Amino acid sequence: QQPVQSPQAVILREGEDAVINCSSSKALYSVHWYRQKHGEAPVFLMILLKGGEQKGHDKISASFNEKKQQSSLYLTASQLSYSGTYFCGTENTGNQFYFGTGTSLTVIP
Amino acid sequence: NAGVTQTPKFRVLKTGQSMTLLCAQDMNHEYMYWYRQDPGMGLRLIHYSVGEGTTAKGEVPDGYNVSRLKKQNFLLGLESAAPSQTSVYFCASQRLGANTGELFFGEGSRLTVL
Repeated sequence: QQPVQSPQAVILREGEDAVINCSSSKALYSVHWYRQKHGEAPVFLMILLKGGEQKGHDKISASFNEKKQQSSLYLTASQLSYSGTYFCGTENTGNQFYFGTGTSLTVIP
Repeated sequence: NAGVTQTPKFRVLKTGQSMTLLCAQDMNHEYMYWYRQDPGMGLRLIHYSVGEGTTAKGEVPDGYNVSRLKKQNFLLGLESAAPSQTSVYFCASQRLGANTGELFFGEGSRLTVL
């Protein structure tokens, strides 16, 4: 039931771009994206509710392909503050909310 | 406004001991969740509740029990702790309608079972 994310880890230099993918074997009603810094709780970034919808948050945006049961998170012109572990979260049926396996992102100067 | 509060934040148990983790939220949210987080495994759903008096199993419920006697509180119990339950536990709440809003997380509870 847990969505699968790829890649598991990525290292970027400041200013570079990254894409994180989230794939589910179950039909999706919505997709959330969260970022977690080491030793802290996950923090909400954005939610996507409709198939094909793209949302943006500063230089971070995401897309949701309902048919393919996939979502992607796009980070452009990465900053040091973007470092952390990114999780997608998905709600399918029965009000169960599952998180993906996580992607560790490290931005270096 | 406290948001979601978890107690205790740290606990060390011996194998076979029991304990209860308390999650309290002051946002009048209907949905509450308990997750455990282990390295490389992400956040895995243990149990969840869609309202006062209701609970349901998630993907890793074995060894845990929960109760939601009051809307603002969601308790996670370990009846007989095992070393495999060493983990960081996160509670989260969400307002009615899982499609409509973000999850708000507590700060986490780090449990070690020796």
